[in-house]
Amino acid sequence: DSGVTQTPKHLITATGQRVTLRCSPRSGDLSVYWYQQSLDQGLQFLIQYYNGEERAKGNILERFSAQQFPDLHSELNLSSLELGDSALYFCASSVGTGHGSPLHFGNGTRLTVT
Amino acid sequence: KNQVEQSPQSLIILEGKNCTLQCNYTVSPFSNLRWYKQDTGRGPVSLTIMTFSENTKSNGRYTATLDADTKQSSLHITASQLSDSASYICVVSANQAGTALIFGKGTTLSVSS
Repeated sequence: DSGVTQTPKHLITATGQRVTLRCSPRSGDLSVYWYQQSLDQGLQFLIQYYNGEERAKGNILERFSAQQFPDLHSELNLSSLELGDSALYFCASSVGTGHGSPLHFGNGTRLTVT
Repeated sequence: KNQVEQSPQSLIILEGKNCTLQCNYTVSPFSNLRWYKQDTGRGPVSLTIMTFSENTKSNGRYTATLDADTKQSSLHITASQLSDSASYICVVSANQAGTALIFGKGTTLSVSS
């Protein structure tokens, strides 16, 4: 068990809708990362927060947004959903900014857009 | 362009046999290289992290090597077990201060009895 909790595990929704994915990092970790994993792609970095502040941004669409709350949990909001957004969304956490410490991944939220 | 290429894409071996997975990268400036194991439907789990100055690092039956000159890494699995069946992902950290991790697409290993 990595200590990172993601909810929900599965999500099925229709195109055009909006969903929120939630992540609770491992106790003591200040950084939270979001990744997208599509069927034929590697993990794609979306965004990182460190202690409540946005730290780094990857290939995150404008329709997607995230935030990290004072209790360090994070939410990823996906809006105007398209079929191509169907993927596994992983949250990871680390103690620092991630440079030298390992990332601890949750088990993901599987999003299916129909 | 920063890239991480892994080979083979997939591999099938018999239980008890050894195998080696390859990772080539074109990432600059290099900070560290990580190997992760991802079981089906689960999040990746860290196996090793190696910096520029480290040539080899072991974690049980897993041994990773790094040649920073040729920008190649390998993951050697000894005496494979059925539970080793998973995707193995090579990840390269692209810089010192940021968090630009470049992920390979992984090698899918199947261990059969």
